[in-house]
Amino acid sequence: SAVISQKPSRDICQRGTSLTIQCQVDSQVTMMFWYRQQPGQSLTLIATANQGSEATYESGFVIDKFPISRPNLTFSTLTVSNMSPEDSSIYLCSVVSAVLNYGYTFGSGTRLTVV
Amino acid sequence: EDKVVQSPLSLVVHEGDTVTLNCSYEVTNFRSLLWYKQEKKAPTFLFMLTSSGIEKKSGRLSSILDKKELFSILNITATQTGDSAVYLCASAQGGSEKLVFGKGTKLTVNP
Repeated sequence: SAVISQKPSRDICQRGTSLTIQCQVDSQVTMMFWYRQQPGQSLTLIATANQGSEATYESGFVIDKFPISRPNLTFSTLTVSNMSPEDSSIYLCSVVSAVLNYGYTFGSGTRLTVV
Repeated sequence: EDKVVQSPLSLVVHEGDTVTLNCSYEVTNFRSLLWYKQEKKAPTFLFMLTSSGIEKKSGRLSSILDKKELFSILNITATQTGDSAVYLCASAQGGSEKLVFGKGTKLTVNP
């Protein structure tokens, strides 16, 4: 399976600021995703990060709040903008590839606390 | 609307007990059913099931998929305190390859 390096591992941020989370994959993968897990909840898909084009966002998530970049097949960033305490969550990137028999791998996660 | 439902949501057992976790799904263009164990932040992969009736095993854990009835179970035998975690079930959609997660089952194994 692919190996994903995600950082930062955790951060405490002031409301109104922005945080950018990075994911680096050790191999080229077709599809990358960003998930959010709010406290006590399950994982919810934010968006699919598309290489060379705008990300595809799920209902309830917008580009202005969660801008995503994917400049190549091994790297992506998620920015959480203008943060409020409600953004306190674990953020996870995930990849899947037909080459990897559609196995899904997750990054180590970023625990974000907004104060 | 695509959905994955897990039961029970919470379970407390004693070491040595056997547990069965349930997962039902209704997902458009179903590709596979996945089970994960989550202890801290990142879910740890357990099983991926694509075919009905074929049991997958890894040590004390096993899982099976029923594509006719749209459900899967995860069995853990001879539970240990280290099995305490949230177990997540997710269904993968072919094409978009998105995962739809259930709410998870929180398993607590007491000594």
